[in-house]
Amino acid sequence: DQQVKQNSPSLSVQEGRISILNCDYTNSMFDYFLWYKKYPAEGPTFLISISSIKDKNEDGRFTVFLNKSAKHLSLHIVPSQPGDSAVYFCAASKSGNTGKLIFGQGTTLQVKP
Amino acid sequence: GAGVSQSPSNKVTEKGKDVELRCDPISGHTALYWYRQRLGQGLEFLIYFQGNSAPDKSGLPSDRFSAERTGESVSTLTIQRTQQEDSAVYLCASSTLGRAYEKLFFGSGTQLSVL
Repeated sequence: DQQVKQNSPSLSVQEGRISILNCDYTNSMFDYFLWYKKYPAEGPTFLISISSIKDKNEDGRFTVFLNKSAKHLSLHIVPSQPGDSAVYFCAASKSGNTGKLIFGQGTTLQVKP
Repeated sequence: GAGVSQSPSNKVTEKGKDVELRCDPISGHTALYWYRQRLGQGLEFLIYFQGNSAPDKSGLPSDRFSAERTGESVSTLTIQRTQQEDSAVYLCASSTLGRAYEKLFFGSGTQLSVL
């Protein structure tokens, strides 16, 4: 069973516009959510995270929104830049369950110049 | 280097052979994770080591898979009698304490191809 789902395999946006990447989860016990970015032939790198006690966390051009009632989170990138082109993974974890992360399938973002 | 190091970066093997993948975590990190990514899929948890605690092996797909870690240093993931469905990128990650809120630092992975 897929506890973390990213239903859009790919997304293409124009440079300077907003990129919105979505993620849904099924396990209500998840209380910490993270986004990772992955370039080809490299390991994923941490981007931004949010605790379930918040509904928004912002870091520069990146903002993550959490809607617990809908079990949905989204990553907003504003403005999008060509260097943001990568695969983005949503991940979730449960407190007391170590740092084991459950990942979504990933969304490939292409930002066109 | 300062990051997580994995070797080899690529491994091609024949079906039925055993393979061993190596991970050097960031120095001082007590937690170490193995994940795998099959083509077009997300990262699948395999195993987790935290200090001297018993490892969490809940993600290992079969008894052909095993992993060891020496103290808080190097880890090896062994796949016996490899099958074609084992073909994937095997990623190792480490974190400071292994808490749920910590970010993981990943290596570049080992691309395993089973012919």
